[in-house]
Amino acid sequence: GNSVTQMEGPVTLSEEAFLTINCTYTATGYPSLFWYVQYPGEGLQLLLKATKADDKGSNKGFEATYRKETTSFHLEKGSVQVSDSAVYFCALEPPGTYKYIFGTGTRLKVLA
Amino acid sequence: DGGITQSPKYLFRKEGQNVTLSCEQNLNHDAMYWYRQDPGQGLRLIYYSQIVNDFQKGDIAEGYSVSREKKESFPLTVTSAQKNPTAFYLCASTPRGTNEKLFFGSGTQLSVL
Repeated sequence: GNSVTQMEGPVTLSEEAFLTINCTYTATGYPSLFWYVQYPGEGLQLLLKATKADDKGSNKGFEATYRKETTSFHLEKGSVQVSDSAVYFCALEPPGTYKYIFGTGTRLKVLA
Repeated sequence: DGGITQSPKYLFRKEGQNVTLSCEQNLNHDAMYWYRQDPGQGLRLIYYSQIVNDFQKGDIAEGYSVSREKKESFPLTVTSAQKNPTAFYLCASTPRGTNEKLFFGSGTQLSVL
């Protein structure tokens, strides 16, 4: 079946550190891949997306590259800020299914 | 402002009671979704609807019901058959439903008294 696996958190970093949050997936065909962010008590917001192999999504200094060969979509940021503290969700949509499948989320804490 | 409105923000359910969570959008989106969020389990799909008067079960539909009588509205009823309803419920929508980003509401926290 279709699924998303994320690294468990919490991930705790100092300000200006490099961030990687791992995400791997299982899906038939070529799914669309997404990263969402959730701040406390709120809904999710799209951070970035990629719709085909080798695409790189980017936004607000975050990047992720669609790797078909390793079925991965790891989230990276070169220098995190305290304001990046949130829960990050990796998600996929199997082609044409209209169903969006989410990982379990990874909590990031950035310390000043 | 355009967006998705969920109400109420907090809801309490007594044993044996049905409760309905409201979700309204003024984005003119065709597809709408309901997710349940539990700590450490991420988001799980309850129901989704691609067009008015049509909807499909997600992965955890048992104990829930929905309707889609209007494009802008997709209410979720948590029935007494749902034995563990305490969770954070999120409604979302997309313009066409495939390969699109989801727009989320701010959620409803449901607790059992």
